[in-house]
Amino acid sequence: AQTVTQSQPEMSVQEAETVTLSCTYDTSESDYYLFWYKQPPSRQMILVIRQEAYKQQNATENRFSVNFQKAAKSFSLKISDSQLGDAAMYFCAPNAGGKLIFGQGTELSVKP
Amino acid sequence: GAVVSQHPSRVICKSGTSVKIECRSLDFQATTMFWYRQFPKQSLMLMATSNEGSKATYEQGVEKDKFLINHASLTLSTLTVTSAHPEDSSFYICSARDFGGGANEQFFGPGTRLTVL
Repeated sequence: AQTVTQSQPEMSVQEAETVTLSCTYDTSESDYYLFWYKQPPSRQMILVIRQEAYKQQNATENRFSVNFQKAAKSFSLKISDSQLGDAAMYFCAPNAGGKLIFGQGTELSVKP
Repeated sequence: GAVVSQHPSRVICKSGTSVKIECRSLDFQATTMFWYRQFPKQSLMLMATSNEGSKATYEQGVEKDKFLINHASLTLSTLTVTSAHPEDSSFYICSARDFGGGANEQFFGPGTRLTVL
């Protein structure tokens, strides 16, 4: 069975600073995608960034980047220049076999 | 593009009644849709995978007779909670997969808050 672990239930960051959210997973698939989703108080799931497992290069989307370590099955999210609007619940979700398996989530608060 | 809608956004019903939730992909065709359940402060739990024109595949522990799923067209899937009870109160989220977009990405609806009295 696939498992996903987000070991940080809550994180806090000062506005304009950088924060890293951790995620480890376990899968038997060799080819898969990994996603980070953001869920603000509205509860709408928003895609933050995606990574293809066969690509060694870490994905980057503006202020968001990942550190993907395939052998270690680690997929952390770095948010640079944090903004108040980044405050939300963040979920790590590998997609293997066509299904998303969500981690427990990390609630990120941003202090002005 | 890639917009998914859900209706209703919020519903309150009496115990023992049935409630239907609709999930629509507005600007793409979705051969596969997914239904999730989320309790407060918790993660999303996959309930079932819905494929157009065929029976849904339910995750272990999800009662298929309790949660009826129909995916009759490429843009619409429905979840019916039958004989609802207070413990069925939760936030239900659907998503749709656009194969044309690649990456197996799922696009999420805004969710439906169900309260059973």
